[in-house]
Amino acid sequence: QQQVKQSPQSLIVQKGGISIINCAYENTAFDYFPWYQQFPGKGPALLIAIRPDVSEKKEGRFTISFNKSAKQFSLHIMDSQPGDSATYFCAASSYNQGGKLIFGQGTELSVKP
Amino acid sequence: GAVVSQHPSWVICKSGTSVKIECRSLDFQATTMFWYRQFPKQSLMLMATSNEGSKATYEQGVEKDKFLINHASLTLSTLTVTSAHPEDSSFYICSARDWGLSTDTQYFGPGTRLTVL
Repeated sequence: QQQVKQSPQSLIVQKGGISIINCAYENTAFDYFPWYQQFPGKGPALLIAIRPDVSEKKEGRFTISFNKSAKQFSLHIMDSQPGDSATYFCAASSYNQGGKLIFGQGTELSVKP
Repeated sequence: GAVVSQHPSWVICKSGTSVKIECRSLDFQATTMFWYRQFPKQSLMLMATSNEGSKATYEQGVEKDKFLINHASLTLSTLTVTSAHPEDSSFYICSARDWGLSTDTQYFGPGTRLTVL
């Protein structure tokens, strides 16, 4: 019940295309859903996050879509650039359960020029 | 966003020695910090939750006597790998929780690469 399932494991997109990464969760107590971007040898950096009271959040080229009834959320990267090539992790946590993040398995994104 | 630092960024040590890794929240106070371990091409594995002024809470399967955690102040948590062995070689990452009435965000440090010879 604590798992967060992420797909795909890897993704290759052409420059200018849309990258889409999906996550699904089981624990209905989760109330915070962040996405992190990680480059090799670096710590994860917070990209964008959403709470379940909204269905979509957009920040620049990055959009989270959230479907509470389906217990799914996704990251869309518009106009993907080679500099977006990194590993992306979705996560989920519950404020009342100490904010402990449960991470998805990660998606390795490669944007081809 | 908020900044979390880690020191050292990398360390090489001999088998049997102990290594201390520091995690600092630079521009906010963090009553809660988390320690993760990451193997190549894998996700982050939570090791323990560190609460300021109290004992750390370890995840199942993590040896608390091997991975000593101290959270002595609102901006500093330390992880000490005691009697390190080659299998302890990994990428260790900390995060600090910035939370309040209208926010609850975790910011990650840059990680520490530990190599045990």
